[in-house]
Amino acid sequence: AQTVTQSQPEMSVQEAETVTLSCTYDTSESDYYLFWYKQPPSRQMILVIRQEAYKQQNATENRFSVNFQKAAKSFSLKISDSQLGDAAMYFCAYRLNAGGTSYGKLTFGQGTILTVHP
Amino acid sequence: EAGVTQFPSHSVIEKGQTVTLRCDPISGHDNLYWYRRVMGKEIKFLLHFVKESKQDESGMPNNRFLAERTGGTYSTLKVQPAELEDSGVYFCASSQDMKAKNIQYFGAGTRLSVL
Repeated sequence: AQTVTQSQPEMSVQEAETVTLSCTYDTSESDYYLFWYKQPPSRQMILVIRQEAYKQQNATENRFSVNFQKAAKSFSLKISDSQLGDAAMYFCAYRLNAGGTSYGKLTFGQGTILTVHP
Repeated sequence: EAGVTQFPSHSVIEKGQTVTLRCDPISGHDNLYWYRRVMGKEIKFLLHFVKESKQDESGMPNNRFLAERTGGTYSTLKVQPAELEDSGVYFCASSQDMKAKNIQYFGAGTRLSVL
């Protein structure tokens, strides 16, 4: 079974600074997707960024980028120029990219609460 | 375009009572997922509908949980009878198809408190 681990329950960063959130996962599969989702307080969870395991190039979305290390099964999220609106719970998630009845589901980590200080 | 909506946002019930959670997916999304986050733990998958059919219900904890999606539109998740350990946040998500790269859009969740 696949597992996702976020070892940082809480992180904090000063506005305009850079912060990195850690995520490791365990799988015996080679074809999968990894995601970072963000959930602001009492609001919907939204996708921040996604990475296909077969792509070596790290994904980037504006101020958000990932460091994907497939061999190490590591998928960290870097937020540059942090803004107050980045404060949220961040979840790392895994999704198998293959056939079968269970490949639709996401497997999540425990989440990291990010606080941004002005 | 309306996002995924969930009702109620918060429900407080006593042990042994019944509660029904509702999820309205994004219009046109055939795939609907239910997840649950128990306090302090990871979000866990419960089940997956494709239209009105259950594609995967491997995450359903026991037979006190019943999910339906009549007509392939909105879905309900009934807990009967509720137990203390059922407390948590229940999330619903929808996606247009099952491709792994495609985004699952989430609702804001229903916070269930069983006293």
